[in-house]
Amino acid sequence: DQQVKQNSPSLSVQEGRISILNCDYTNSMFDYFLWYKKYPAEGPTFLISISSIKDKNEDGRFTVFLNKSAKHLSLHIVPSQPGDSAVYFCAAHHDTGTASKLTFGTGTRLQVTL
Amino acid sequence: DGGITQSPKYLFRKEGQNVTLSCEQNLNHDAMYWYRQDPGQGLRLIYYSQIVNDFQKGDIAEGYSVSREKKESFPLTVTSAQKNPTAFYLCASSVTGAREAFFGQGTRLTVV
Repeated sequence: DQQVKQNSPSLSVQEGRISILNCDYTNSMFDYFLWYKKYPAEGPTFLISISSIKDKNEDGRFTVFLNKSAKHLSLHIVPSQPGDSAVYFCAAHHDTGTASKLTFGTGTRLQVTL
Repeated sequence: DGGITQSPKYLFRKEGQNVTLSCEQNLNHDAMYWYRQDPGQGLRLIYYSQIVNDFQKGDIAEGYSVSREKKESFPLTVTSAQKNPTAFYLCASSVTGAREAFFGQGTRLTVV
């Protein structure tokens, strides 16, 4: 069962516009959510995160929104830039008591066009 | 510079052979992880280790083995029992209890 879902495999946005990437989860035990950015043949790099007790976190052009009742989070990038073109993974954290684990979604490929 | 080093970047293996992927970190992190990425799929957890000489199976551990003899090193062996070993393998580490994990550059394994 997929506990973290990114239902849009790809997204194309014009430069300067807003990019909105979505993520849904099913496990109520997740206490933290993270977004990672990944370029081809490289490891993911951390972008931004949000605690489950918050509903918004902002860092420059990147804002993450969390709707806990809907078990939904989104990443907003504004304005979008060509260098933002990458695959974005949503990840959810939970502490099992013996381990700290991240569960990843399947990723959304963002293409920012000129 | 602190970071996570995975080697080699590309690896070819003949079917039926075991192969070991290297992962070294100098971030002084206690926790280390191995993930596998396949096209159209997210990162799936293979094994993880919270402390030296201890490790646990992740979601897809079958056909893999690990060791954690040193804090800095967490090698992954892909055995001949792994049915579909061709994939992109990612090693990560984190401070114990921290949510954020740092990733290496990955190793692409191709079985020929």
